[in-house]
Amino acid sequence: DAKTTQPPSMDCAEGRAANLPCNHSTISGNEYVYWYRQIHSQGPQYIIHGLKNNETNEMASLIITEDRKSSTLILPHATLRDTAVYYCIVRVFLQETSGSRLTFGEGTQLTVNP
Amino acid sequence: GAVVSQHPSRVICKSGTSVKIECRSLDFQATTMFWYRQFPKQSLMLMATSNEGSKATYEQGVEKDKFLINHASLTLSTLTVTSAHPEDSSFYICSARGAGGGQPQHFGDGTRLSIL
Repeated sequence: DAKTTQPPSMDCAEGRAANLPCNHSTISGNEYVYWYRQIHSQGPQYIIHGLKNNETNEMASLIITEDRKSSTLILPHATLRDTAVYYCIVRVFLQETSGSRLTFGEGTQLTVNP
Repeated sequence: GAVVSQHPSRVICKSGTSVKIECRSLDFQATTMFWYRQFPKQSLMLMATSNEGSKATYEQGVEKDKFLINHASLTLSTLTVTSAHPEDSSFYICSARGAGGGQPQHFGDGTRLSIL
């Protein structure tokens, strides 16, 4: 799986948009970008994933650059409950093989301040 | 969304005890399940991957005789930490993925294992 690079920490004011960057310059054409977050002492929570098009769901938006070497996760209106470690993971999507799994880096600690 | 239930959430036991952790996919069939371990202030580390009805594939450095994994059905996987010692104390997290295109991994809430 391609390696990702994320800033170790970020701060955001409550109610403002949180933009979390991720570099994945060695990404291959068939590798997807996944975002998860982990609130303290809980299991990771799936947020969103994409291949090359921008994606949006009820939690967040994912913006992937045209060359796919980087992406940004956007939380449009951050709340205190969004304080968590956010992981950007690049993974080959293979439907059935056990070789396809998520490998976690260090992530970004996002702190939303009141 | 997809729900993965993990039980128990916390275990405290004496050294030498074997501990079993259950992981269930509640609303989907999990063809593949994963077990991770997380030490304080560190990221998740994959321990093993299992497909239903097959033997688990362990990551390098993980002792298969120490961490027994059973994935007997499409909704249940178990991890047994055999003869646990204090260094096995950690946060164990299971994850499951269904079959078919577009399926992300979903995670349980983890089990905090403390060996005295």
